[in-house]
Parts: sequence; C-alpha cells; structure tokens
Amino acid sequence: EVQLVESGGGLVKPGGSLRLSCAASGFTFSNAWMSWVRQAPGKGLEWVGRIKSKTDGGTTDYAAPVKGRFTISRDDSKNTLYLQMNSLKTEDTAVYYCTILWFGELFLSYYYYMDVWGKGTTVTVSS
Amino acid sequence: QSVLTQPPSVSAAPGQKVTISCSGSSSNIGNNYVSWYQQLPGTAPKLLIYENNKRPSGIPDRFSGSKSGTSATLGITGLQTGDEADYYCGTWDSSLSAGGFGGGTKLTVL
Repeated sequence: EVQLVESGGGLVKPGGSLRLSCAASGFTFSNAWMSWVRQAPGKGLEWVGRIKSKTDGGTTDYAAPVKGRFTISRDDSKNTLYLQMNSLKTEDTAVYYCTILWFGELFLSYYYYMDVWGKGTTVTVSS
Repeated sequence: QSVLTQPPSVSAAPGQKVTISCSGSSSNIGNNYVSWYQQLPGTAPKLLIYENNKRPSGIPDRFSGSKSGTSATLGITGLQTGDEADYYCGTWDSSLSAGGFGGGTKLTVL
C-alpha cells in the first residue's frame, strides 16, 4: 500500500525553525517527484513547493511566500522527504501535507497533480 | 489570494447534478491541464480528476471534468450525502513557475 506519513509538527515561536519529515512506503520513492501543500485553519489549499527526483535533477521550486525561508530536501536511502522551515511567521500556521507529485509536459501543456497525500502534520506559529 | 477562482459554495438535492466552476488565465488553465480534489471534513484531499477529464482508479464515473479556454468545470451527478465536501481545482502556472489551487467550493447536499 502506498503511504505517506508526516511528522515533526508542533508549536514554535515566530522567528523559530522546524523540520517536518514525510516517511514514504509502498512505492519507489527515489523515482518520485514530491511536494508539500499546506492548509491554514479554515482556509484553502496552498502549494508550498516541490522537489524533483534525483534522476531528473533533484531541483526544487517554491511558492513566493516561503521562498528563501523554506527548504525541501530528500533522502532516498531513507525514503524520506523533508521540509526545513526557518524564520517562521504566524501566517505559516497550517496543516502541512506531503504528496506524490506528477508533473510533465504533454502536447505542449503541463500536467500537474497530486495522487497520494499524507494525513498531514500541524504547525502552529505563535508567541 | 488564490491563483484560480471558484464559487465559495454550491448546493443541490440528493440525486441531482451539480457543477463547480474554476476560472483562471492563459498562464495557467489556458495552457495547462487541470486537476480536481475532494476534501471530506477532517481528512486530507483526494484526487478526483487529473489532466482535465481523467479519473483515477476507484473514482466513480459520477464525477467528470472538462475544460474550455481559461475555465474548467467539475460535474457531479447522482448526488449523495457523502459527497458533501470541499472541492478544489489545481493547475500549474507557467508564468509564476508554481502550482496553484482555487479557493475551494463547499458542496452542500440538501
């Protein structure tokens, strides 16, 4: 069974740091592109960023609100995805979901969708 | 501020059909594929539609997707009380080089 399990959430003060982990199982993690999506309390979904597989370059892209503060990385030997969050702000308070991302070009258009989601981990930034 | 625009809510009676719209621009929906997600209360989102109109294995054919120009539509027929959820559209924005979602639409089955 394909499974993603996030961990590492908690309460942190503004300006602080936190590292989230996502343990993957049931599929070939090293071949997968992965992403993080967050959802603030009572709000909609917000894309945080993505990381390509190492065979596709292993590069990352981020949403504007987190660029320069958040870093996505992966350890294929541990089948684990990470989200390092620095300089946290109150507006970063959200449930953070880890997902498998399908992204590519088809007939000159990009397809982009997430077919497997973890249950999420809650991050609260408050003094 | 969401990249894509959805109505905040829609409602219909059990057994009826409902459509949910998703409006964007040429840099996102106009030139890229759209996906749709269902989020039941208290749970993680679930993929319903990908590449505009394809259904993953296990998604009933009561759910359908279409796209025209810079807008996309999710259709749900034979509404059931279990369909009450928030629905989100998603796509890639080529100008922003970033993923984007709509603000979400709450479906109420009366």
